[in-house]
Amino acid sequence: DVKVTQSSRYLVKRTGEKVFLECVQDMDHENMFWYRQDPGLGLRLIYFSYDVKMKEKGDIPEGYSVSREKKERFSLILESASTNQTSMYLCASSFGKATVFRETQYFGPGTRLLVL
Amino acid sequence: QQPVQSPQAVILREGEDAVINCSSSKALYSVHWYRQKHGEAPVFLMILLKGGEQKGHDKISASFNEKKQQSSLYLTASQLSYSGTYFCGTAKTSYDKVIFGPGTSLSVIP
Repeated sequence: DVKVTQSSRYLVKRTGEKVFLECVQDMDHENMFWYRQDPGLGLRLIYFSYDVKMKEKGDIPEGYSVSREKKERFSLILESASTNQTSMYLCASSFGKATVFRETQYFGPGTRLLVL
Repeated sequence: QQPVQSPQAVILREGEDAVINCSSSKALYSVHWYRQKHGEAPVFLMILLKGGEQKGHDKISASFNEKKQQSSLYLTASQLSYSGTYFCGTAKTSYDKVIFGPGTSLSVIP
């Protein structure tokens, strides 16, 4: 079974803090994704990566950055957290490099971030 | 552009059927369906590619009408375990990002 794990289930941070959200997958998947989930808005793509050190912007990249130094790990960074970044953050991974968005995505359990 | 899902929410009794619709204003290459149970990660249900195909798994099936730019998810003889939020995701081409809809909350009661 594919396993996608996220470093924390719940996180509370203060405005202006630098926040790191970590995601690890154990199935040697090429692609990894970060989404945020808000009520009524569904899942919105922040960034994705189809290879180590490669990253592409999603639909809402502002205020976020990512890092993929190893294939199995994809980090989401909030350089200076703001209250409007309070949300549920979901990481996902999928298998194929050539077909980034045709593959099944496997999601982690999510990190609920509260920025005060 | 985010696809539109309808209904926003539905409550069913066990054994009843439901249809969840997903529509887009753009031509579609693929439609992806996921279910998320409360407090859990979204789980893949199925992907439909353009060609007007229909897929099914047990009592959950889906159709994709590319001319109408819409897909429908059919849940027959619903079970308590079907409760959750159903998301559709759409992509315009095979290389395009999947954009997810806002979700449809489905509750099955005894």
